[in-house]
Amino acid sequence: DGGITQSPKYLFRKEGQNVTLSCEQNLNHDAMYWYRQDPGQGLRLIYYSQIVNDFQKGDIAEGYSVSREKKESFPLTVTSAQKNPTAFYLCASSPQRLGTEAFFGQGTRLTVV
Amino acid sequence: DQQVKQNSPSLSVQEGRISILNCDYTNSMFDYFLWYKKYPAEGPTFLISISSIKDKNEDGRFTVFLNKSAKHLSLHIVPSQPGDSAVYFCAANAGSNYKLTFGKGTLLTVNP
Repeated sequence: DGGITQSPKYLFRKEGQNVTLSCEQNLNHDAMYWYRQDPGQGLRLIYYSQIVNDFQKGDIAEGYSVSREKKESFPLTVTSAQKNPTAFYLCASSPQRLGTEAFFGQGTRLTVV
Repeated sequence: DQQVKQNSPSLSVQEGRISILNCDYTNSMFDYFLWYKKYPAEGPTFLISISSIKDKNEDGRFTVFLNKSAKHLSLHIVPSQPGDSAVYFCAANAGSNYKLTFGKGTLLTVNP
């Protein structure tokens, strides 16, 4: 069954700890994205990658890091430098082709206590 | 600076009537527009899209209209159903840049 898998669905971490969110896709898509959703803020782009071993900062990259060592995987690390890490995180992927939509995973709710 | 704007945070309509969700954009380089539907604690799902070379695209009960001169698009849902109740996001991208820029969303409530 093709799709995007984010894990875990819920994640709790202590303040000051780094945490890595997993995103895997088997759609053979070249591009992958991380978005963050906060109430009233819509979806804001953190990082995106259009090809393996390359990625670009989005609009709110500070305090986050990513890697793209494999086409299927695009993990996001929320570092202790991120001031307000509690949010709903969404991973997406899309083919490198004009006029196509991005497919989203089910999201990870990160709560920092 | 918000490049994609959905100025109505919420909209309430009666079942069977038309729902009209609006979206404005400021970046004239945007050439592809999409609407996504999102339920709480789930990822958005793609609904319908439109290329800038068109002014209308229809898919069943959903129609998207694009007015490039006004930098405005709208999503029409006819007839509205209670299952349509969700947050609707407008998104856009520009040329070969596959980065999608989203609006803040509009919460649609369809009352039985």
